[in-house]
Amino acid sequence: GQQLNQSPQSMFIQEGEDVSMNCTSSSIFNTWLWYKQDPGEGPVLLIALYKAGELTSNGRLTAQFGITRKDSFLNISASIPSDVGIYFCAGQLTTSGTYKYIFGTGTRLKVLA
Amino acid sequence: DAGVTQSPTHLIKTRGQHVTLRCSPISGHKSVSWYQQVLGQGPQFIFQYYEKEERGRGNFPDRFSARQFPNYSSELNVNALLLGDSALYLCASSLATHLEQFFGPGTRLTVL
Repeated sequence: GQQLNQSPQSMFIQEGEDVSMNCTSSSIFNTWLWYKQDPGEGPVLLIALYKAGELTSNGRLTAQFGITRKDSFLNISASIPSDVGIYFCAGQLTTSGTYKYIFGTGTRLKVLA
Repeated sequence: DAGVTQSPTHLIKTRGQHVTLRCSPISGHKSVSWYQQVLGQGPQFIFQYYEKEERGRGNFPDRFSARQFPNYSSELNVNALLLGDSALYLCASSLATHLEQFFGPGTRLTVL
């Protein structure tokens, strides 16, 4: 199935470090969403972005909707052990009044205490 | 407030059987979407419903169908199950079609 390019695929970082991940596509999206998923559970919404250039924060998390509407990034500052998990980006396409959501391949984050 | 709920939590079926998965959205949400997530991959979009009408469809065969009820709950049906249908099936709800989606815990389907 179709998936967005998300990088890095995985990363190990030390507690307290900042983390950056991004998502790119060849398609133009109307909405970008960032989720975190723990094993065996559903994704939890972190941040939603609705306008090109929009920069939004949620605690230690900051995400931006790319100007071209084809990319987005997520930053996590001062990482802590509970940040461990898989982070997914998701973009929404609108075509002729129908909607489609495409998820990224995921970034697996591991934090070393 | 209750989040998105899904039932059952786990399900084991054999090839060729039929399965029905159920989802109740967050109170006030009128849109429900269904996703399939195979181990190690991101969720794949199957359907979106809004006000009982299909508003979006992913690249899945006709064996997959869904419907939304007047109370905005939804069912996903899969016919003639294949081994490859084994996955976590996720339901997400939103206030409207273009707004952020909130996911339920999923139904783990195993096809033997």
